[in-house]
Amino acid sequence: LAKTTQPISMDSYEGQEVNITCSHNNIATNDYITWYQQFPSQGPRFIIQGYKTKVTNEVASLFIPADRKSSTLSLPRVSLSDTAVYYCLVGPAPGGTNAGKSTFGDGTTLTVKP
Amino acid sequence: DTAVSQTPKYLVTQMGNDKSIKCEQNLGHDTMYWYKQDSKKFLKIMFSYNNKELIINETVPNRFSPKSPDKAHLNLHINSLELGDSAVYFCASSQSSNRVQNTGELFFGEGSRLTVL
Repeated sequence: LAKTTQPISMDSYEGQEVNITCSHNNIATNDYITWYQQFPSQGPRFIIQGYKTKVTNEVASLFIPADRKSSTLSLPRVSLSDTAVYYCLVGPAPGGTNAGKSTFGDGTTLTVKP
Repeated sequence: DTAVSQTPKYLVTQMGNDKSIKCEQNLGHDTMYWYKQDSKKFLKIMFSYNNKELIINETVPNRFSPKSPDKAHLNLHINSLELGDSAVYFCASSQSSNRVQNTGELFFGEGSRLTVL
């Protein structure tokens, strides 16, 4: 299973764009990259998933370079409510017996200040 | 209306006791999981079940025994509790469809905080 490395913590201010990078040097050909967000006293919540290039949804963007050895979660114009732990996961395509084979990284604690 | 619900939310008990945590999902998913999150926020998978069949059983002590009576339920029973078992246990579910559009998104419960004294 691909191991991931993320910064332990990051600080930002309201209104700024935040980029959190995850390194996954030994990502396998059929691995996907997924990001989750976790608020205190809650379970993690899915943010975005990608395989290559760029993926964007209403919450975030995910940038994946051609070699796929890293990925960057981009949160546009963060607010105080974006303060949370962000986890990067790398693992095989979802489905059937692949369930649960994506490993959570150690997480990045993002603190958004006023 | 809670998609993944687990009970109890808090559990305080003595070493050596046996306890259970229950989990139910109403999303119609066919795969359920148990994760353990320690005090450093590391989130590790313990078990996963697909259509009531055990898929993943990580290096978890035998004192932990999952039971899936049906696709909507996955309970976790822990025997002879130890201090190191103190953690937050999360239940999750997902749909294992192999369709391209399926992200395999995990839906988590709110967690059950277990404290062993």
